[in-house]
Amino acid sequence: GNSVTQMEGPVTLSEEAFLTINCTYTATGYPSLFWYVQYPGEGLQLLLKATKADDKGSNKGFEATYRKETTSFHLEKGSVQVSDSAVYFCALSDRPGGGNKLTFGTGTQLKVEL
Amino acid sequence: GAVVSQHPSRVICKSGTSVKIECRSLDFQATTMFWYRQFPKQSLMLMATSNEGSKATYEQGVEKDKFLINHASLTLSTLTVTSAHPEDSSFYICSARGGGGFDEQFFGPGTRLTVL
Repeated sequence: GNSVTQMEGPVTLSEEAFLTINCTYTATGYPSLFWYVQYPGEGLQLLLKATKADDKGSNKGFEATYRKETTSFHLEKGSVQVSDSAVYFCALSDRPGGGNKLTFGTGTQLKVEL
Repeated sequence: GAVVSQHPSRVICKSGTSVKIECRSLDFQATTMFWYRQFPKQSLMLMATSNEGSKATYEQGVEKDKFLINHASLTLSTLTVTSAHPEDSSFYICSARGGGGFDEQFFGPGTRLTVL
């Protein structure tokens, strides 16, 4: 079956530091890949997505590239801000928009300090 | 953007009682709603998928008689945990997807259930 593995947190960084959160997946076929973000007290929000190999999703300074050869979709940001503190979830779906069953990783909490 | 609410945000109940959790799409019609469960330090696990006016489809291993799902309108789905026990304590999250080929889920903020 499908599965997603992402690095455990919490990840604590200073403001303006570089961020990488690793995500690898196992799936049959050609899934679409997603990063969701959950701010305190709020629901998960779609951060970015990629629907095929070598696609790069990007949003709000975050990027992730769909690497089929390494089955990875690592999240990166060049300079984090305190407002980026949240829990980040990697996920996959058999639908391009993620409107069907989503398989999630365990989530990685990011704390950004001044 | 599309907004999904859940009520209550947290609930504490005694073992053996039933608890109802509501999920509402506030500014769109949700033809499909999903219910997830999240244990501490674990991923969200899909429990069931419900389409408006139809019976819910449950994932393998989820007891449909224990977790009753009703999706009677295009803006409301409810999850009832019947005869709750301490092992049902968890974080329950719903999401909703609009119709017309719209292909994104919008998530509620979750409900923390504690069964004493």
